Amino acid sequence: IQLTQSPSSLSASVGDRVTITCRASQGIANYVAWFQQKPGKAPKLLMYAASTLQGGVPSRFSGSGSGTDFTLTISSLQPEDFATYYCQQFNSYPLTFGGGTKVEIK
Amino acid sequence: QVQLQESGPGLVKPSQTLSLTCSVSGDSFTSGDFCWTWIRQSPEKGLEWLGYIFPSGSTYYNPSLKGRLSMSVDISKSQFSLKLTSVTAADTAVYFCARENQQPLAHIDFWGQGTLVTVSS
Repeated sequence: IQLTQSPSSLSASVGDRVTITCRASQGIANYVAWFQQKPGKAPKLLMYAASTLQGGVPSRFSGSGSGTDFTLTISSLQPEDFATYYCQQFNSYPLTFGGGTKVEIK
Repeated sequence: QVQLQESGPGLVKPSQTLSLTCSVSGDSFTSGDFCWTWIRQSPEKGLEWLGYIFPSGSTYYNPSLKGRLSMSVDISKSQFSLKLTSVTAADTAVYFCARENQQPLAHIDFWGQGTLVTVSS
Protein backbone atom coordinates (compact mmCIF):
# COMPACT_ATOMS: atom_id res chain seq x y z
CA ILE A 1 0.00 0.00 0.00
CA GLN A 2 1.52 3.32 -1.08
CA LEU A 3 1.04 6.47 0.95
CA THR A 4 1.40 9.86 -0.69
CA GLN A 5 1.83 12.88 1.54
CA SER A 6 1.29 16.47 0.52
CA PRO A 7 2.81 18.89 0.56
CA SER A 8 6.35 17.53 0.78
CA SER A 9 7.33 20.72 2.58
CA LEU A 10 5.72 23.89 3.82
CA SER A 11 6.72 27.13 5.46
CA ALA A 12 4.58 28.47 8.27
CA SER A 13 4.69 30.91 11.14
CA VAL A 14 4.16 30.35 14.83
CA GLY A 15 0.42 30.44 15.48
CA ASP A 16 -0.54 29.26 12.01
CA ARG A 17 -2.97 26.41 11.39
CA VAL A 18 -1.23 23.67 9.42
CA THR A 19 -2.81 20.75 7.59
CA ILE A 20 -0.93 17.79 6.12
CA THR A 21 -2.63 15.20 3.97
CA CYS A 22 -1.91 11.54 3.38
CA ARG A 23 -3.55 9.56 0.58
CA ALA A 24 -3.47 5.77 0.44
CA SER A 25 -3.38 3.79 -2.80
CA GLN A 26 -6.27 1.66 -1.53
CA GLY A 27 -8.76 1.80 1.30
CA ILE A 28 -7.23 1.30 4.73
CA ALA A 29 -10.20 2.06 7.02
CA ASN A 30 -8.78 4.13 9.89
CA TYR A 31 -5.49 2.25 10.20
CA VAL A 32 -3.24 5.28 10.01
CA ALA A 33 -0.68 6.67 12.43
CA TRP A 34 1.16 9.97 12.36
CA PHE A 35 4.71 10.57 13.56
CA GLN A 36 6.86 13.63 14.18
CA GLN A 37 10.60 13.42 13.61
CA LYS A 38 13.27 15.94 14.49
CA PRO A 39 16.82 15.79 13.07
CA GLY A 40 18.92 13.01 14.55
CA LYS A 41 16.00 11.59 16.54
CA ALA A 42 13.65 8.66 16.19
CA PRO A 43 10.11 9.33 15.02
CA LYS A 44 7.65 10.09 17.81
CA LEU A 45 4.10 8.78 17.70
CA LEU A 46 1.49 11.55 17.65
CA MET A 47 -1.69 9.80 16.61
CA TYR A 48 -2.97 6.32 15.77
CA ALA A 49 -6.23 4.89 14.48
CA ALA A 50 -6.39 8.11 12.42
CA SER A 51 -7.66 10.29 15.27
CA THR A 52 -6.57 8.84 18.62
CA LEU A 53 -4.07 11.14 20.29
CA GLN A 54 -1.13 9.34 21.88
CA GLY A 55 -0.71 10.08 25.58
CA GLY A 56 1.30 13.22 26.31
CA VAL A 57 0.79 14.74 22.85
CA PRO A 58 -0.62 18.28 22.94
CA SER A 59 -4.25 18.71 21.97
CA ARG A 60 -3.35 21.17 19.21
CA PHE A 61 -2.63 18.05 17.14
CA SER A 62 -5.63 16.34 15.61
CA GLY A 63 -6.21 13.74 12.95
CA SER A 64 -9.09 12.73 10.74
CA GLY A 65 -9.99 10.61 7.78
CA SER A 66 -11.05 7.17 6.74
CA GLY A 67 -10.67 5.02 3.67
CA THR A 68 -8.01 6.61 1.48
CA ASP A 69 -7.73 10.24 2.64
CA PHE A 70 -6.33 11.38 5.96
CA THR A 71 -5.25 14.66 7.50
CA LEU A 72 -3.07 15.78 10.37
CA THR A 73 -3.83 19.26 11.65
CA ILE A 74 -1.84 21.44 13.99
CA SER A 75 -4.26 24.10 15.19
CA SER A 76 -1.68 26.66 16.30
CA LEU A 77 1.89 25.94 15.31
CA GLN A 78 4.41 26.19 18.13
CA PRO A 79 8.22 26.60 17.86
CA GLU A 80 8.75 22.98 18.93
CA ASP A 81 6.51 21.74 16.11
CA PHE A 82 9.00 22.50 13.34
CA ALA A 83 9.90 18.99 12.21
CA THR A 84 9.13 16.38 9.59
CA TYR A 85 5.82 14.52 9.79
CA TYR A 86 5.10 11.02 8.46
CA CYS A 87 1.96 8.98 8.06
CA GLN A 88 2.05 5.19 8.31
CA GLN A 89 -0.57 2.58 7.45
CA PHE A 90 -1.38 -0.39 9.66
CA ASN A 91 -4.05 -1.92 7.44
CA SER A 92 -1.84 -4.67 6.08
CA TYR A 93 1.73 -5.93 6.15
CA PRO A 94 4.24 -4.86 5.09
CA LEU A 95 3.61 -1.60 6.91
CA THR A 96 4.47 1.45 4.84
CA PHE A 97 5.21 5.10 5.46
CA GLY A 98 4.51 8.25 3.53
CA GLY A 99 7.37 10.28 2.12
CA GLY A 100 7.19 12.94 4.82
CA THR A 101 6.21 16.59 5.12
CA LYS A 102 8.84 19.00 6.37
CA VAL A 103 7.41 21.93 8.30
CA GLU A 104 9.79 24.86 8.25
CA ILE A 105 9.78 28.30 9.79
CA LYS A 106 8.57 31.09 7.52
CA GLN B 1 8.31 3.14 30.53
CA VAL B 2 9.84 1.03 27.78
CA GLN B 3 13.31 1.77 26.46
CA LEU B 4 14.96 0.21 23.43
CA GLN B 5 18.63 0.36 22.49
CA GLU B 6 20.22 -0.84 19.26
CA SER B 7 23.74 -2.24 19.16
CA GLY B 8 25.99 -3.61 16.48
CA PRO B 9 28.73 -2.73 13.99
CA GLY B 10 28.50 0.63 12.28
CA LEU B 11 30.40 -0.55 9.22
CA VAL B 12 29.75 -3.67 7.17
CA LYS B 13 31.50 -4.75 3.97
CA PRO B 14 29.49 -5.42 0.80
CA SER B 15 28.22 -9.02 0.45
CA GLN B 16 28.60 -9.62 4.19
CA THR B 17 25.91 -9.96 6.87
CA LEU B 18 24.59 -7.04 8.88
CA SER B 19 23.74 -8.04 12.46
CA LEU B 20 22.03 -5.83 15.01
CA THR B 21 20.58 -6.44 18.46
CA CYS B 22 17.92 -4.47 20.29
CA SER B 23 17.86 -4.55 24.08
CA VAL B 24 14.52 -3.80 25.70
CA SER B 25 14.00 -2.57 29.24
CA GLY B 26 10.62 -2.57 30.93
CA ASP B 27 8.20 -5.34 31.71
CA SER B 28 6.35 -5.72 28.41
CA PHE B 29 8.79 -7.84 26.42
CA THR B 30 6.98 -11.17 26.77
CA SER B 31 3.43 -9.85 26.49
CA GLY B 32 1.45 -11.09 23.53
CA ASP B 33 0.07 -7.57 23.10
CA PHE B 34 3.36 -6.45 21.58
CA CYS B 35 5.61 -7.41 18.74
CA TRP B 36 9.07 -6.12 18.07
CA THR B 37 10.05 -4.51 14.83
CA TRP B 38 12.93 -3.18 12.79
CA ILE B 39 12.63 -0.07 10.66
CA ARG B 40 15.34 1.66 8.66
CA GLN B 41 15.67 5.13 7.23
CA SER B 42 17.77 6.40 4.37
CA PRO B 43 17.61 9.53 2.21
CA GLU B 44 16.94 7.37 -0.84
CA LYS B 45 14.13 5.18 0.50
CA GLY B 46 12.80 7.16 3.46
CA LEU B 47 11.33 5.10 6.30
CA GLU B 48 11.16 1.41 5.44
CA TRP B 49 9.51 -1.16 7.71
CA LEU B 50 11.58 -4.36 7.68
CA GLY B 51 9.71 -6.92 9.76
CA TYR B 52 8.43 -8.03 13.12
CA ILE B 53 8.90 -10.80 15.63
CA PHE B 54 6.61 -11.85 18.47
CA PRO B 55 8.03 -13.20 21.74
CA SER B 56 6.78 -16.60 20.57
CA GLY B 57 9.19 -16.37 17.64
CA SER B 58 6.54 -15.77 15.00
CA THR B 59 7.87 -13.47 12.29
CA TYR B 60 6.90 -11.52 9.21
CA TYR B 61 9.46 -10.01 6.87
CA ASN B 62 9.05 -7.34 4.23
CA PRO B 63 9.04 -9.15 0.85
CA SER B 64 11.12 -6.30 -0.60
CA LEU B 65 14.13 -7.77 1.20
CA LYS B 66 13.87 -10.88 -0.95
CA GLY B 67 14.64 -13.45 1.73
CA ARG B 68 17.78 -11.73 3.03
CA LEU B 69 16.29 -10.89 6.43
CA SER B 70 15.92 -13.02 9.53
CA MET B 71 14.99 -12.08 13.07
CA SER B 72 15.36 -13.88 16.38
CA VAL B 73 14.41 -13.29 19.98
CA ASP B 74 16.13 -14.04 23.28
CA ILE B 75 13.50 -13.89 26.02
CA SER B 76 16.03 -14.42 28.81
CA LYS B 77 17.89 -11.27 27.81
CA SER B 78 14.86 -9.23 26.62
CA GLN B 79 16.56 -8.85 23.28
CA PHE B 80 15.67 -9.33 19.66
CA SER B 81 18.01 -9.36 16.70
CA LEU B 82 18.19 -8.75 12.98
CA LYS B 83 20.40 -10.38 10.39
CA LEU B 84 20.49 -9.05 6.84
CA THR B 85 22.61 -11.03 4.41
CA SER B 86 24.37 -10.09 1.16
CA VAL B 87 24.32 -6.39 1.93
CA THR B 88 25.01 -3.70 -0.65
CA ALA B 89 25.40 0.06 -0.45
CA ALA B 90 21.61 0.28 -0.75
CA ASP B 91 21.37 -1.17 2.77
CA THR B 92 23.19 1.81 4.25
CA ALA B 93 20.71 3.44 6.62
CA VAL B 94 19.86 4.34 10.18
CA TYR B 95 18.31 1.21 11.70
CA PHE B 96 15.68 1.58 14.41
CA CYS B 97 14.19 -1.07 16.63
CA ALA B 98 10.70 -0.38 17.91
CA ARG B 99 7.72 -1.82 19.74
CA GLU B 100 4.44 -2.40 17.93
CA ASN B 101 1.54 -2.26 20.34
CA GLN B 102 -1.41 -4.35 19.17
CA GLN B 103 -3.95 -2.80 21.54
CA PRO B 104 -6.46 -1.36 20.98
CA LEU B 105 -5.35 -0.94 17.36
CA ALA B 106 -1.83 -1.56 16.11
CA HIS B 107 0.61 1.31 16.46
CA ILE B 108 4.34 1.75 16.99
CA ASP B 109 4.67 3.49 20.32
CA PHE B 110 8.30 3.20 21.39
CA TRP B 111 11.48 3.49 19.32
CA GLY B 112 15.17 3.07 19.94
CA GLN B 113 17.42 6.02 19.17
CA GLY B 114 18.66 4.41 15.96
CA THR B 115 22.07 3.26 14.81
CA LEU B 116 23.76 4.19 11.56
CA VAL B 117 25.03 1.25 9.53
CA THR B 118 27.23 1.99 6.54
CA VAL B 119 27.93 -0.64 3.89
CA SER B 120 31.32 0.04 2.38
CA SER B 121 34.57 -1.74 1.62
